[in-house]
Amino acid sequence: KNEVEQSPQNLTAQEGEFITINCSYSVGISALHWLQQHPGGGIVSLFMLSSGKKKHGRLIATINIQEKHSSLHITASHPRDSAVYICAVKSGGNEKLTFGTGTRLTIIP
Amino acid sequence: GAVVSQHPSWVICKSGTSVKIECRSLDFQATTMFWYRQFPKQSLMLMATSNEGSKATYEQGVEKDKFLINHASLTLSTLTVTSAHPEDSSFYICSATRTGGGQPQHFGDGTRLSIL
Repeated sequence: KNEVEQSPQNLTAQEGEFITINCSYSVGISALHWLQQHPGGGIVSLFMLSSGKKKHGRLIATINIQEKHSSLHITASHPRDSAVYICAVKSGGNEKLTFGTGTRLTIIP
Repeated sequence: GAVVSQHPSWVICKSGTSVKIECRSLDFQATTMFWYRQFPKQSLMLMATSNEGSKATYEQGVEKDKFLINHASLTLSTLTVTSAHPEDSSFYICSATRTGGGQPQHFGDGTRLSIL
């Protein structure tokens, strides 16, 4: 079993739909990252959070430390949101990240 | 915002060639940089942690003589794939964190390496 599990693995939705991607982890963490990887390969860091909730534009990330669970929400989804979304956690005293396998999101116009 | 530049973005070369990939933090100092490898439709796999002024820390199973890492300054780390073979073909991506704990990682755009 991976230390970081994401669901769903693939998600296709219509433009405008509300999107939720889930991440569960099994280790104690100091921080959790949500990353976005576009087809070209480049990775953008969307959020780093250790508690509560963060919002940036149409993106919202929440984390429940007790339940070891985080969600990434996208409101009013758009085709340009199509990408792979990756959850990664930082644990221990170093800066190393453990990655989930990613969620491939496709938004259809 | 923090920017990490990775160069080249794309390399095709013959088997036996050594290939150097650069990772630069453009607007911040990075004591620590990370090198990852990613196979198609798989997640990132950490290869090594690069620390400025000291030897890199390699993950289990990664050959340090095959993948040479140099982090000579606070803004530049290089990964050299020595005597590359077709099985080394992959997507390599770096990340960097600002000096000080609790900082997010900023990723480069990656290098797609194809060995013929």
